Amino acid sequence: QSVLTQPPSVSGAPGQRVTISCSGSRSNLGAGYVVHWYQQFPGTAPKLLIYDNVYRPSGVPDRFSGSKSGTSASLTITGLQAEDGADYYCQSYDRSLNALYVFGTGTKVAVL
Amino acid sequence: QVQLQESGPGLVTPSETLSLTCAVSGASVSTDDFYWSWIRQPPGKGLEWIGYVFHTGNTNYNPSLRSRVTISVDTSRNQFSLKLNSVTAADTAIYYCAREKVAATTDWFDPWGQGTLVTVSS
Repeated sequence: QSVLTQPPSVSGAPGQRVTISCSGSRSNLGAGYVVHWYQQFPGTAPKLLIYDNVYRPSGVPDRFSGSKSGTSASLTITGLQAEDGADYYCQSYDRSLNALYVFGTGTKVAVL
Repeated sequence: QVQLQESGPGLVTPSETLSLTCAVSGASVSTDDFYWSWIRQPPGKGLEWIGYVFHTGNTNYNPSLRSRVTISVDTSRNQFSLKLNSVTAADTAIYYCAREKVAATTDWFDPWGQGTLVTVSS
């Protein structure tokens, strides 16, 4: 029931920059609601990576950055490292009747 | 350090009720700054928000699950619980509990419990 669309996968070599998009609509991102990002390694729980579009919780490396514009948001990893291989999910609020809090479809990052 | 730990049966019979508890340590559930949420993830798939409870007992649920879900809080035990009735195989998932930050913008979830796999099967 995801209403936020992400590419299934992105890949890059160590040191490269990769960007993950999160596409929404007028009932969520386009309505001005912010986006949060989570990182999930296989077999573990998601971990908050970015909140309120651009802020990093304590302990999150500064190679992770976020942005938002209109109905879309992006997570960028600058200087990709081997340990960044994981699944990434965006999350926001949706004011339609479908759900209050919605997650993206998820993107698997592969480090080549 | 705030920690959440889910517990409950890993196997539930179709049409029965799924019941899980989330024990919270390192923080009190009796705070106005946070909600206490359940989120699930079918194996190999994405995340779905189920609902939250406030320490007062106020709740909010995903409309798609509202008719079958009850989330409650036990402040004396510093824990909260999920009940999902009339389960089917489609409810098979890893169930996570999480602390939900009451934000001026949009709430976020941090931290999460480790998750518990619940399989619906006869």
